[in-house]
Amino acid sequence: AQSVTQLDSHVSVSEGTPVLLRCNYSSSYSPSLFWYVQHPNKGLQLLLKYTSAATLVKGINGFEAEFKKSETSFHLTKPSAHMSDAAEYFCVVSDSGAAGNKLTFGGGTRVLVKP
Amino acid sequence: NAGVTQTPKFQVLKTGQSMTLQCAQDMNHEYMSWYRQDPGMGLRLIHYSVGAGITDQGEVPNGYNVSRSTTEDFPLRLLSAAPSQTSVYFCASSPRWGTSYEQYFGPGTRLTVT
Repeated sequence: AQSVTQLDSHVSVSEGTPVLLRCNYSSSYSPSLFWYVQHPNKGLQLLLKYTSAATLVKGINGFEAEFKKSETSFHLTKPSAHMSDAAEYFCVVSDSGAAGNKLTFGGGTRVLVKP
Repeated sequence: NAGVTQTPKFQVLKTGQSMTLQCAQDMNHEYMSWYRQDPGMGLRLIHYSVGAGITDQGEVPNGYNVSRSTTEDFPLRLLSAAPSQTSVYFCASSPRWGTSYEQYFGPGTRLTVT
């Protein structure tokens, strides 16, 4: 069985400061991991994905994430927050044992960016 | 390409009514799925389809039906709406069935059942 825990439900940062969103996962197989972003009243957009290649994954809009198998973590970072980064972020796992391409979502982290 | 489209954007139903949420994609994707989003719970899989004529249940299928007669369309039917089905519904598609493929999400349908 697969599961995802996002360790912070809300994160508040000042514009121009680093952003760290924490994600831990559980998977019985070699997982694929994703980060999606959802702006208010919008659908979900893929930020980046890990699929067993390089453990440091670069995504769109300056975001990156590092896959650490020993820690079962896939934390998302950005060196300098922008006002447009205010949104909800979802860490997602999918493994080969999951029926139907099933994505398991974390509960989400809502990011507030202060000017 | 329009990507994944969903209609309607908003809907209010009374308990016991039925309705169909529409989903279409123009990317020739094999795989399509329906999720519901509830506060603090992320998205949960309702039903999915790996190709035309093939559907299966996800995590929370009760009260919902689907069919896939064409590659492009994947409607979700609520048989007898209940307040517990108040949620935001997202349709998604991906090129193939496989864990490494990105899923493309539609803009969502916000459903309220009174």
